[in-house]
Amino acid sequence: SYELTQSPSVSVSPGQTAKITCSGDALTKKYAYWYQQKQPGQAPVLVMDEDDKRPSGIPERFSGSSSGTVATLIISGAQVEDEADYYCFSTDRSGSLGVFGGGTKVTVL
Amino acid sequence: EVQLVESGGGLVEPGGSLRLSCAASGFPFSNAWMTWVRQAPGKGLEWVGRIKSKRRNETIDYAAPVKGRFTISRDDSQNMFYLQMSDLRSEDTAIYFCTTTVMVTGFDHWGQGTPVTVSS
Repeated sequence: SYELTQSPSVSVSPGQTAKITCSGDALTKKYAYWYQQKQPGQAPVLVMDEDDKRPSGIPERFSGSSSGTVATLIISGAQVEDEADYYCFSTDRSGSLGVFGGGTKVTVL
Repeated sequence: EVQLVESGGGLVEPGGSLRLSCAASGFPFSNAWMTWVRQAPGKGLEWVGRIKSKRRNETIDYAAPVKGRFTISRDDSQNMFYLQMSDLRSEDTAIYFCTTTVMVTGFDHWGQGTPVTVSS
């Protein structure tokens, strides 16, 4: 079955840049989406659409990119309120099956 | 205002069945692809399955762990989205979210989630 791989955790000081990666073979053909979840069990929030499109209301410090089999979410000048779990999402090559990455815990302190 | 409201969660014994519902409002439901996502205690998000719109033949796809046990359906006349779960196992214990795409192609609207506990 198709998998997306994320590093388990990233820790930065306030104002620094946090970089989160997501790797998967199908990312060469399929978009990556990024979700922020501040508390387990709380509804996630879409912070990056179609690799690099920031939805309305998401701060400009969030940016995204994708190259080859790796998608990246960057938080430039991370704030304490950005502490959360971040999940990438995409589909397999057929577009039929969705998959989330394992999540990356971002700590800002 | 877009709203997704799940209901139907609860405690069920292993091998039992449960039907979750998601009431949608505030967007053209019949055109929307609807998705179920779950999160087990202490675990990450897991895509469960998706139903496309009638225009796309209401094509349904399921994640491997639930295929053959779960059934997704929709009622466009009632703006309702369903997840029928059968042969439930302890590993199905999770909060179940319904979600959809309205303004963008990612899941930009989510329900609050409904908890399902499978235990004897």
